[in-house]
Amino acid sequence: TQLLEQSPQFLSIQEGENLTVYCNSSSVFSSLQWYRQEPGEGPVLLVTVVTGGEVKKLKRLTFQFGDARKDSSLHITAAQTGDTGLYLCAGERGGATNKLIFGTGTLLAVQP
Amino acid sequence: KAGVTQTPRYLIKTRGQQVTLSCSPISGHRSVSWYQQTPGQGLQFLFEYFSETQRNKGNFPGRFSGRQFSNSRSEMNVSTLELGDSALYLCAGKLTLNTGELFFGEGSRLTVL
Repeated sequence: TQLLEQSPQFLSIQEGENLTVYCNSSSVFSSLQWYRQEPGEGPVLLVTVVTGGEVKKLKRLTFQFGDARKDSSLHITAAQTGDTGLYLCAGERGGATNKLIFGTGTLLAVQP
Repeated sequence: KAGVTQTPRYLIKTRGQQVTLSCSPISGHRSVSWYQQTPGQGLQFLFEYFSETQRNKGNFPGRFSGRQFSNSRSEMNVSTLELGDSALYLCAGKLTLNTGELFFGEGSRLTVL
């Protein structure tokens, strides 16, 4: 059972367009991280959100943690070709088995 | 500072063989986790080691095992390889066992023929 579902799975857009990626779960997470993975590389952390309703901005990227800490979204404004990659959300449950659960991933291709 | 180093980067094995992958985390990072990444299943957690002890384990068969050395370097082993074991194996380090950022290596891409 996949605890974190991301949508859409694939997204191909033109440079300059806006987009939103969603990360949804029926479970509550103590924190949620977003990673980007480029071809041939490992994932790299973009942001961590901890508080329900929290909004964080990283240049053109805006991350939001749902009020109930069950979902999150990533919005990219005026996408650039350098934004191309696999976006992964990862939730932390906390407690004794404190391991990250990764989402299904969203593969973004930004065309010039 | 040096990043996470995984070796080998690429390898090809045949069914029934076994494979050992190595991971050296960033200096000072004592927790090492291993993940399997495939197009169909995404990133699946294998196990986490801290202070040479396995602290967490994912839902993988016993053919998948690992260990950690006193210098925090970690190895994972897969015995009796199956075609379905073909994947990118990623290791990730972090400072402590608690919450925090994972620092990933570039992965070891295993192909089983």
